Amino acid sequence: GESVGLHLPTLSVQEGDNSIINCAYSNSASDYFIWYKQESGKGPQFIIDIRSNMDKRQGQRVTVLLNKTVKHLSLQIAATQPGDSAVYFCAEKGRMDSSYKLIFGSGTRLLVRP
Amino acid sequence: DGGITQSPKYLFRKEGQNVTLSCEQNLNHDAMYWYRQDPGQGLRLIYYSQIVNDFQKGDIAEGYSVSREKKESFPLTVTSAQKNPTAFYLCASSRQGRNYNEQFFGPGTRLTVL
Repeated sequence: GESVGLHLPTLSVQEGDNSIINCAYSNSASDYFIWYKQESGKGPQFIIDIRSNMDKRQGQRVTVLLNKTVKHLSLQIAATQPGDSAVYFCAEKGRMDSSYKLIFGSGTRLLVRP
Repeated sequence: DGGITQSPKYLFRKEGQNVTLSCEQNLNHDAMYWYRQDPGQGLRLIYYSQIVNDFQKGDIAEGYSVSREKKESFPLTVTSAQKNPTAFYLCASSRQGRNYNEQFFGPGTRLTVL
């Protein structure tokens, strides 16, 4: 989840295919994780979240997988649509952090080819 | 409609001037946050407030100031001490407490220094 580098990783997928966006988080004590979608020029929007006592959670067309062993989070989007084109951020919240801050990753840009 | 509003959407500033960005929420959230986003990068925390009349510095507070006189409002002032203020600024709010984690974002203000 730490921000590294200046260039946003980009994932290009064909419309109708499934997309998998990955995120490596930094704090093994984090107990909550969230995915946001940000369209150009807009604020981030909530997609799905998961607590550390779970390893999978499903929403509408989206699934989040959590692998605490390797500190890895992924977002799967089924049947990707043009409206899914955006930047996707993962965020984590530490169990020991009483301020309830979220730590955001650097993001992945998803481009959907028609 | 419940939500977070930010104004203005676009703001231009001359070097050496202070400017204040507005953030208002009617979600009855205790906690509010300010983030800065540079092109192709993630969100960096400037300031946050967990309760009225209290706020804490985030990761990049230098050159910024905030106030929290009302629960609904958390204005951010970008001072002349901020050497590179051109960026996209995002305000967010959340409920307070360990079981409340999702942050709701406003539409953002794009600040450009001329």
